[in-house]
Amino acid sequence: GQSLEQPSEVTAVEGAIVQINCTYQTSGFYGLSWYQQHDGGAPTFLSYNALDGLEETGRFSSFLSRSDSYGYLLLQELQMKDSASYFCAVRGQAGTALIFGKGTTLSVSS
Amino acid sequence: DTEVTQTPKHLVMGMTNKKSLKCEQHMGHRAMYWYKQKAKKPPELMFVYSYEKLSINESVPSRFSPECPNSSLLNLHLHALQPEDSALYLCASRNHGDTEAFFGQGTRLTVV
Repeated sequence: GQSLEQPSEVTAVEGAIVQINCTYQTSGFYGLSWYQQHDGGAPTFLSYNALDGLEETGRFSSFLSRSDSYGYLLLQELQMKDSASYFCAVRGQAGTALIFGKGTTLSVSS
Repeated sequence: DTEVTQTPKHLVMGMTNKKSLKCEQHMGHRAMYWYKQKAKKPPELMFVYSYEKLSINESVPSRFSPECPNSSLLNLHLHALQPEDSALYLCASRNHGDTEAFFGQGTRLTVV
């Protein structure tokens, strides 16, 4: 089976940088994804890492270390609109559907 | 068009009712999924359809019955639900080999 651990809550102020960590256990690894979900909204894709290292997409970056079964999402120049839940996810059975971590609620204040 | 459309957006049903949730995508994705999400919890996988065939059922009670009539449509038929089944039901789709899954806005279901 799969299990993913991430902090439940993170708070920060506008303009700051936050890092949301994710450790995972999975039988068969098909990459680590990150999704953002605003209250009442749909999860939306942010980033994906299949190989070790850093992937950068604008203000968001994601890192993966397969040997440590660890990844993180780095959010820079935080804005109020970044207040949302962030989920790390791996693909379950034979790389099919996403299995999500418990989610991290990010609150950005001014 | 990178949209997954779910209808209805809200649904209130009694425990003896039969209702259906609908999901549609026109991106040519051949993998489609149903997830259930409770408040402050992650989406929880229910069913996976691959090339219109049910490939994974995550031990979901039989009062939930999925159907994939064609490659663009996914239905979830509901019957004799319990109040604890009240949740946000999310549909998602993905192209095999792609990393990104696209989610619909969900149907917020309340069972009374």
